[in-house]
Amino acid sequence: EIVLTQSPATLSLSPGERATLSCRASQSVASYLAWYQQKPGQAPRLLIYDASHRATGIPARFSGSGSGTDFTLTISSLEPEDFAVYYCQQRSNWPPSTFGQGTKLEIK
Amino acid sequence: EVQLVESGGGLVQPGRSLRLSCAASGFTFDDFNMDWVRQPPGKGLEWVAGISWNSGMVGYAASVKGRFTISRDNAQNSLYLQINSLRPNDTAVYYCAKGTRGSGSSNFDYWGQGTLVTVSS
Repeated sequence: EIVLTQSPATLSLSPGERATLSCRASQSVASYLAWYQQKPGQAPRLLIYDASHRATGIPARFSGSGSGTDFTLTISSLEPEDFAVYYCQQRSNWPPSTFGQGTKLEIK
Repeated sequence: EVQLVESGGGLVQPGRSLRLSCAASGFTFDDFNMDWVRQPPGKGLEWVAGISWNSGMVGYAASVKGRFTISRDNAQNSLYLQINSLRPNDTAVYYCAKGTRGSGSSNFDYWGQGTLVTVSS
């Protein structure tokens, strides 16, 4: 099973700042990596699929990059509504699909 | 508008069984994979099971294989998860999620609101 490790566990930033979240896979997942955002009491929302493609309706301030084992989600300028938990997910070696443990993005 | 509505959760004793359902609408159900993802209280997401458009491919997480069975009824636009021999660590919100493809691995572009399963005596 492919293990995804996200870092940092918690990221404290202010609105307007740039956020960089990392996801590392235990073996190559090619570009089959997605990012989700989850706010308290809500279901996750797909942000990025296949490493770098924004899902429908996702603002341009969200971008994804990487391939193989190292991936990054960047939020160029944080808006108040961006503070949430972010998960990466791989679909390279199915089954199973796996998620990372999450990064909590909190207001500094 | 895509809608996924889960039902069937509740409080259940260890060792008992439960069947979760997910009613789908707003898209062509039999064109897409469907999956179950769970989230224990205060913890992260865990993929549980997935099924292809025609039920020809199914997959399970190692932690549930042999106890959980995923199925679908395309005529009823419904997805199911049969859970047997429930354990306390199965306690979680169970989400129904729509895949972005018809078979094989998938991302999830729509999610239900979740149904809470609590396993306790």
